[in-house]
Amino acid sequence: AQTVTQSQPEMSVQEAETVTLSCTYDTSESDYYLFWYKQPPSRQMILVIRQEAYKQQNATENRFSVNFQKAAKSFSLKISDSQLGDAAMYFCAYRSAKVGTDKLIFGTGTRLQVFP
Amino acid sequence: NAGVMQNPRHLVRRRGQEARLRCSPMKGHSHVYWYRQLPEEGLKFMVYLQKENIIDESGMPKERFSAEFPKEGPSILRIQQVVRGDSAAYFCASSLRAGEMNEQYFGPGTRLTVT
Repeated sequence: AQTVTQSQPEMSVQEAETVTLSCTYDTSESDYYLFWYKQPPSRQMILVIRQEAYKQQNATENRFSVNFQKAAKSFSLKISDSQLGDAAMYFCAYRSAKVGTDKLIFGTGTRLQVFP
Repeated sequence: NAGVMQNPRHLVRRRGQEARLRCSPMKGHSHVYWYRQLPEEGLKFMVYLQKENIIDESGMPKERFSAEFPKEGPSILRIQQVVRGDSAAYFCASSLRAGEMNEQYFGPGTRLTVT
C-alpha cells in the first residue's frame, strides 16, 4: 500500500522569504501523480501544484515550485516570496495512475505560519 | 460556474442518530469522492462513486456507513447510529473524468459533531 509522510508538523517563514515543505512517499508503482493541497482556516482544500511521475521536469506555478526526486521518492514544495495569505495547512498527496484507483492518499500535513 | 456544494456545513447529532451528508458535484462532473478528516489529521479516502455505481469503497468502514450517487440529485453519505468517533469533517470532491491527471475539486466540507 502507498503511504505519504510529511515529517514537519509545523514550519514558519518571514514574509517575502522562501520556505520548503518536505514530503516523502512510498510506492512500488512507476506511474503516479503527486499533488500539494493548501487548506486555509476556512478548511477549503485548494490545489496548489501537481506533478506527473513520468515527467522529469519539476512543476512550477507562479511562486510555488516542487523538487521531485523520483528515485528518492521525495516531493518537496518551495514557496518563494512568502505572503501572509500563504499561512495554512499544506498536504502532500499521492494518486496512482492505475485505472479505477483515483483516490488521493494524503500525508498528515504541515502547518505553515507566515510572520510579517 | 458553481463549485462543489456540500450541505449542511455543520451537523450535530446525538449518539445513535443518523447523519446524512449531501454533495452536489460541479456541473458536468460525474465522479464523486468522499474523504474524512479527523481533528489534526490529513484527509482519508472513504469511497469513490460514479453515477449510480460505487467504483471503490476500500476506505469505507464495514458497518453503519453507506454512500450513493443516484442518477438524479446529489451524492449522499449516510452514517447510521453515529458514535462519538464519527465526529470529523467530511469532504466531498468531484472530477470531470477518471484517470490521467484529473483534478479533484473539493467542497467546503461538512463538520459532524456527535454529542
